[in-house]
Amino acid sequence: DAGVIQSPRHEVTEMGQEVTLRCKPISGHDYLFWYRQTMMRGLELLIYFNNNVPIDDSGMPEDRFSAKMPNASFSTLKIQPSEPRDSAVYFCASKAATGTGSTDTQYFGPGTRLTVL
Amino acid sequence: AQSVTQPDIHITVSEGASLELRCNYSYGATPYLFWYVQSPGQGLQLLLKYFSGDTLVQGIKGFEAEFKRSQSSFNLRKPSVHWSDAAEYFCAVGAVFGNEKLTFGTGTRLTIIP
Repeated sequence: DAGVIQSPRHEVTEMGQEVTLRCKPISGHDYLFWYRQTMMRGLELLIYFNNNVPIDDSGMPEDRFSAKMPNASFSTLKIQPSEPRDSAVYFCASKAATGTGSTDTQYFGPGTRLTVL
Repeated sequence: AQSVTQPDIHITVSEGASLELRCNYSYGATPYLFWYVQSPGQGLQLLLKYFSGDTLVQGIKGFEAEFKRSQSSFNLRKPSVHWSDAAEYFCAVGAVFGNEKLTFGTGTRLTIIP
């Protein structure tokens, strides 16, 4: 199993540009999570999907952020327009739905390091 | 709301010494508890998890953690650390029913000295 795949691994862009981060979850996993990690705020959940449907997006910071999951094997996190304060490492994670609640392990991708100049 | 506190931001331990990383949680019922490790430039890897049953949980890489309900704690331990254990360690708490969210602590950075 290739694990959770994220691309790009590094992204440097200028303020005001659109940024799209991509994630391929582990095959067969029903849940997909987007996290953001910064020194100031630690690891924050932005949004998660179940069977391609967004379930909780309360962590999405503002309207500049949007996430989609058009099918079970692909998700995007888009920032438009980007700002310097969006600089962070963005992680995608997936998990299977074999239990209830948070019983099953979330498997994390390697992350995308975003720098907005 | 659930929350996690990792009181130690940075810990330095000599190679071969024992290790204990502290984690305190806040949750209204029996929580699901996790420890993850993050090596530099990498994603998070699960070390161990507690759902129910035996309060002493064994994980990978020789780590263990003990759930103490009376102290709302889930401390991570290892009897003898190796240089390769240098990383950042995160404790997380999850809900038992109906919510897939994990809430992470701010992490403890572990440095190993020869």
